[in-house]
Amino acid sequence: KAGVTQTPRYLIKTRGQQVTLSCSPISGHRSVSWYQQTPGQGLQFLFEYFSETQRNKGNFPGRFSGRQFSNSRSEMNVSTLELGDSALYLCASSLALRGGSYNEQFFGPGTRLTVL
Amino acid sequence: SQQGEEDPQALSIQEGENATMNCSYKTSINNLQWYRQNSGRGLVHLILIRSNEREKHSGRLRVTLDTSKKSSSLLITASRAADTASYFCATSRVDTGTASKLTFGTGTRLQVTL
Repeated sequence: KAGVTQTPRYLIKTRGQQVTLSCSPISGHRSVSWYQQTPGQGLQFLFEYFSETQRNKGNFPGRFSGRQFSNSRSEMNVSTLELGDSALYLCASSLALRGGSYNEQFFGPGTRLTVL
Repeated sequence: SQQGEEDPQALSIQEGENATMNCSYKTSINNLQWYRQNSGRGLVHLILIRSNEREKHSGRLRVTLDTSKKSSSLLITASRAADTASYFCATSRVDTGTASKLTFGTGTRLQVTL
């Protein structure tokens, strides 16, 4: 089975621009979550999508948004980029079975975003 | 916010030695997962241990979970240079309403030298 894929792998943008990142989950996985990793704040949860609905959201401003398509692929959008948005953005997919205790999450390689 | 701390922050050992990393967390959990990350790349899933399990093995990895102390440990036996990486624990907390939201520790940087 193919793993989680993310595109693009690297991105350079300037302040004020917007960016869209893409994530394709493992086949059969219905849950996609997004995380931001920075040296200062570590790994932080952005949001989770399940069956095209946002199921949970972290403490990030409204400039960060996402969506999920019917094939479970997900996109994340950041508008009005700031220097502090420079980070590694990781997505993870899981089966999201009922019960929750058994749900391993598998991560993609990440998108490295640099804001100049 | 971080769920907890990992200890030590950095660990340097020689090839063939065992490496032990500890993770503490603050709230009740559904499960705890360990991940490895090489130099700013993606996270590689190592092992998941459920809240009702106390110990789990996978190859050279041994994970323990003590829910009364809210702590977990990851033991890597007979370490290799290829084990050099950062290791993170991540908890699925009961209070977040979804098992899919992971809260990460601060990570342990492991250096294995020849």
